[in-house]
Amino acid sequence: AQSVTQLGSHVSVSEGALVLLRCNYSSSVPPYLFWYVQYPNQGLQLLLKYTSAATLVKGINGFEAEFKKSETSFHLTKPSAHMSDAAEYFCAVSDVTGRRALTFGSGTRLQVQP
Amino acid sequence: NAGVTQTPKFQVLKTGQSMTLQCAQDMNHEYMSWYRQDPGMGLRLIHYSVGAGITDQGEVPNGYNVSRSTTEDFPLRLLSAAPSQTSVYFCAVSGSDYEQYFGPGTRLTVT
Repeated sequence: AQSVTQLGSHVSVSEGALVLLRCNYSSSVPPYLFWYVQYPNQGLQLLLKYTSAATLVKGINGFEAEFKKSETSFHLTKPSAHMSDAAEYFCAVSDVTGRRALTFGSGTRLQVQP
Repeated sequence: NAGVTQTPKFQVLKTGQSMTLQCAQDMNHEYMSWYRQDPGMGLRLIHYSVGAGITDQGEVPNGYNVSRSTTEDFPLRLLSAAPSQTSVYFCAVSGSDYEQYFGPGTRLTVT
């Protein structure tokens, strides 16, 4: 079965600093990979997705992620954090059993300090 | 075009009560899923459906039932609510590349 590991349940950065949220996955077949963001008391919004095209994927709000097959990683980055980036971020991998569902990591809460 | 809608937004139940969480979509997608979100555990798949009349279990199906009589609707039933079912529930529709389009969620508290 596939799985997703997000290192660091809480990450704190200063405004203007680099954001790096880590995600490692396990999958028996080439996966589709996703990052979702959840603002307080809201639903989940897609940030970006990898679907076997370019390995560097650009998303909304200045975020990007790079698919590294050799490292089974899909880390999320943003060059300069903004206060509005404070939220919870979820990495997810596509199911390999045909269910058209996703397996999610446990989430990383990003705090941005002024 | 509403996308994915869920009702109610909030619900409080007593242990042993039953209820149905409603989910509807106007995206005309075949694949629909129910997830529950708990702190520190991400989202976990409860049940899913690959089309009208076809449903199956996900990772945490115990205590929940589903049915899919139409493409648009995918209700989730709690048969006898337990405090362990206190959670936020999300319905999702899947696109062709596995992207999940989520509803706004239902926050359920079981006392």
